[in-house]
Amino acid sequence: EAGVVQSPRYKIIEKKQPVAFWCNPISGHNTLYWYLQNLGQGPELLIRYENEEAVDDSQLPKDRFSAERLKGVDSTLKIQPAELGDSAVYLCASSFGAGDEQFFGPGTRLTVL
Amino acid sequence: AQSVTQLDSQVPVFEEAPVELRCNYSSSVSVYLFWYVQYPNQGLQLLLKYLSGSTLVKGINGFEAEFNKSQTSFHLRKPSVHISDTAEYFCAVSEGNEKLTFGTGTRLTIIP
Repeated sequence: EAGVVQSPRYKIIEKKQPVAFWCNPISGHNTLYWYLQNLGQGPELLIRYENEEAVDDSQLPKDRFSAERLKGVDSTLKIQPAELGDSAVYLCASSFGAGDEQFFGPGTRLTVL
Repeated sequence: AQSVTQLDSQVPVFEEAPVELRCNYSSSVSVYLFWYVQYPNQGLQLLLKYLSGSTLVKGINGFEAEFNKSQTSFHLRKPSVHISDTAEYFCAVSEGNEKLTFGTGTRLTIIP
């Protein structure tokens, strides 16, 4: 069974440029999470989806970050424009339901120059 | 609000020696507790979890953890480590088994 798939694995951009990350959760998983992991830190939740609905986006910086999960399956996280401080690893996770074990993807490592 | 403290940012251990990685949490309600492992350039993998019942929880790869409510701790232990255990270990807490709050992680380095 395929795990959580994320692409790209690595991305280098210049500041002020836009960037997008893609996540395909495990088949059948209704809940999808985006986390931000800064160097030397634990992951921090950015947004949680139940199917296509964003049920917790309180930690998402909405001035520059946006996310969508239009059909309740795969999801895209976008940053526009990117800032130097956005350099981090962006992790996607999924679970069957909100209270179930979360399975993590390998992450996208973003470097903003 | 829930929080997690991992006091040891790095722990070096000789191969085949025992190890304990410390985790303390704070919460105003009952909690669920987790340990995740992150190998280089990979996502997090669940090692073990405490939801209820027995306070001693056994996980994968020979790890175990003990929930201590009075000390608000959930320390991770392994009696004999291997080179392959070199990784970053994260403790996490959830008050409703939904939103996970992670600690800052402990880097375990196994010395041959």
